[in-house]
Amino acid sequence: QQQVKQSPQSLIVQKGGISIINCAYENTAFDYFPWYQQFPGKGPALLIAIRPDVSEKKEGRFTISFNKSAKQFSLHIMDSQPGDSATYFCAASFPSGNTPLVFGKGTRLSVIA
Amino acid sequence: GAVVSQHPSWVICKSGTSVKIECRSLDFQATTMFWYRQFPKQSLMLMATSNEGSKATYEQGVEKDKFLINHASLTLSTLTVTSAHPEDSSFYICSARSLDRGGYGYTFGSGTRLTVV
Repeated sequence: QQQVKQSPQSLIVQKGGISIINCAYENTAFDYFPWYQQFPGKGPALLIAIRPDVSEKKEGRFTISFNKSAKQFSLHIMDSQPGDSATYFCAASFPSGNTPLVFGKGTRLSVIA
Repeated sequence: GAVVSQHPSWVICKSGTSVKIECRSLDFQATTMFWYRQFPKQSLMLMATSNEGSKATYEQGVEKDKFLINHASLTLSTLTVTSAHPEDSSFYICSARSLDRGGYGYTFGSGTRLTVV
């Protein structure tokens, strides 16, 4: 049973365009929704995160949109650059301190010039 | 920000030998640590959860006698792959979480590429 569903599996965007990755979750007990960026051979790095009491959070070119009623959240990368080419994972966690993140399956983003 | 140091970055070992991977939280106390395994082009697969001073909780299908996890202090957790075989070759990543950081501090190590020959 996959608790966090991520789409698309892969994405090709032209330089300067907007990259959009979507995630849907099932468990309403989740209370923290981070996005991670991973380059080949490296561990995931936190990109941006949101709590369910906020509908949108923006940090630089990265924006999370959160729809609590639909149980969906998305990552928007504005003005996408070749350096953004990486794998992006959405995740969700429970309030308890000893529970792990629940990851989506990842989206491989390629930004082409 | 929070830093988790993972060593080694890569290791090659002969089949049948054991390999130890270390994960250290450098600037915070990690009350809980998680170990993941990642296959190429796939998501992270949780192997086990460890809390300082207690036995690790392994996910279904993970052999606890093969993947020994020790979390003896608030800053160090180790994963030992015992009697490694080629099918254990993978990318292993640790993650540390501490309630000291507002309850949402999941920080990942840089990963260890294990190749068993």
